Amino acid sequence: NAGVTQTPKFQVLKTGQSMTLQCAQDMNHEYMSWYRQDPGMGLRLIHYSVGAGITDQGEVPNGYNVSRSTTEDFPLRLLSAAPSQTSVYFCASSDGQGGGYEQYFGPGTRLTVT
Amino acid sequence: KNEVEQSPQNLTAQEGEFITINCSYSVGISALHWLQQHPGGGIVSLFMLSSGKKKHGRLIATINIQEKHSSLHITASHPRDSAVYICAAGGGGADGLTFGKGTHLIIQP
Repeated sequence: NAGVTQTPKFQVLKTGQSMTLQCAQDMNHEYMSWYRQDPGMGLRLIHYSVGAGITDQGEVPNGYNVSRSTTEDFPLRLLSAAPSQTSVYFCASSDGQGGGYEQYFGPGTRLTVT
Repeated sequence: KNEVEQSPQNLTAQEGEFITINCSYSVGISALHWLQQHPGGGIVSLFMLSSGKKKHGRLIATINIQEKHSSLHITASHPRDSAVYICAAGGGGADGLTFGKGTHLIIQP
């Protein structure tokens, strides 16, 4: 099993550009989530999904869109990149919703917006 | 919303020392997670526990539900243990985990 994969690993965008961060998992997990990690702060939840076709907002959803058309894939879209979105982005999956399930994280995408 | 506090924020120790990292949370949880992140690396789950103690190799995690407190211990620390250790409180809702800011551990040879 590849686990949770993310692409790209690094990305530089100009302000106003859009892009999609890809996330896929091969563990048949229903629950998937996107976090951002900023210096001096804990990971913060952007969006999550409890199954195909179902998504919801987390703590910091503004400027991001998600969709979940399949169990495997959960892409994160930046609509119009801003310097405040410079961060490291992690995708995660687990076997169930709620905090009582082990979380599997992808390797992260380091995004810089200039 | 759960508040998760970790201490210390930074810790430098000599190889072989016994290491303790503490985590406290404000609201009852379904599970407490300990995660490890090496510099520039991904995040790996070390432990998930809801009561008592768990051990894996030189790592031990304990939790006291009544006091809303957990500790991560590393015995016979080694430079390869140098990493950021993150605790996360897992509630029952679909919005998953609330994370601490992490403890940056450096083990010097």
